Amino acid sequence: DQQVKQNSPSLSVQEGRISILNCDYTNSMFDYFLWYKKYPAEGPTFLISISSIKDKNEDGRFTVFLNKSAKHLSLHIVPSQPGDSAVYFCAASEVTGGGNKLTFGTGTQLKVEL
Amino acid sequence: DTEVTQTPKHLVMGMTNKKSLKCEQHMGHRAMYWYKQKAKKPPELMFVYSYEKLSINESVPSRFSPECPNSSLLNLHLHALQPEDSALYLCASSQGPRGNQPQHFGDGTRLSIL
Repeated sequence: DQQVKQNSPSLSVQEGRISILNCDYTNSMFDYFLWYKKYPAEGPTFLISISSIKDKNEDGRFTVFLNKSAKHLSLHIVPSQPGDSAVYFCAASEVTGGGNKLTFGTGTQLKVEL
Repeated sequence: DTEVTQTPKHLVMGMTNKKSLKCEQHMGHRAMYWYKQKAKKPPELMFVYSYEKLSINESVPSRFSPECPNSSLLNLHLHALQPEDSALYLCASSQGPRGNQPQHFGDGTRLSIL
């Protein structure tokens, strides 16, 4: 049962244009959402997050949008740069009695071309 | 540069061996995590430690034994592993166990079971 889904395994964008990565979730108990970027042979790097009480969070070139009614979030990267080429994971957080559980999506491979 | 340090980076072991993976952070974080990531898959949560106490065990087989000797250190003891346990093992930490505190990852230990 995949509770967090990224339906696009790959995305190719030209340098300078906007990259839009999408993520859908099914569990209504998720209340905090994050985006991570992963290069080969490295661990995931935290990029940006958003609380379920907000619908937008911006940090430099990165903006995350949350549509709670649709259970959908997206990451916008503007302008895209070649160094942004990586796998992007969406993750959702649920706080249980024991602590913070993160559930990851399957990832989207972003390629930014010159 | 990651502030969560994992050693070793690579480990090859036989099914009868005993080995340990080590994770260290000096950010003053009080929650630490072990994840397992198979090829082309997202990271999957194994264990959560909150204030040095095991708070979540995601039904992980007993051949994996976590230990948190102090607030900066997290170990994963391995014994009698199976070939299907070959994977990237990621450690993460967060400020605390609350949901709105992002987890920061190390670069992982690539484990191969012969």
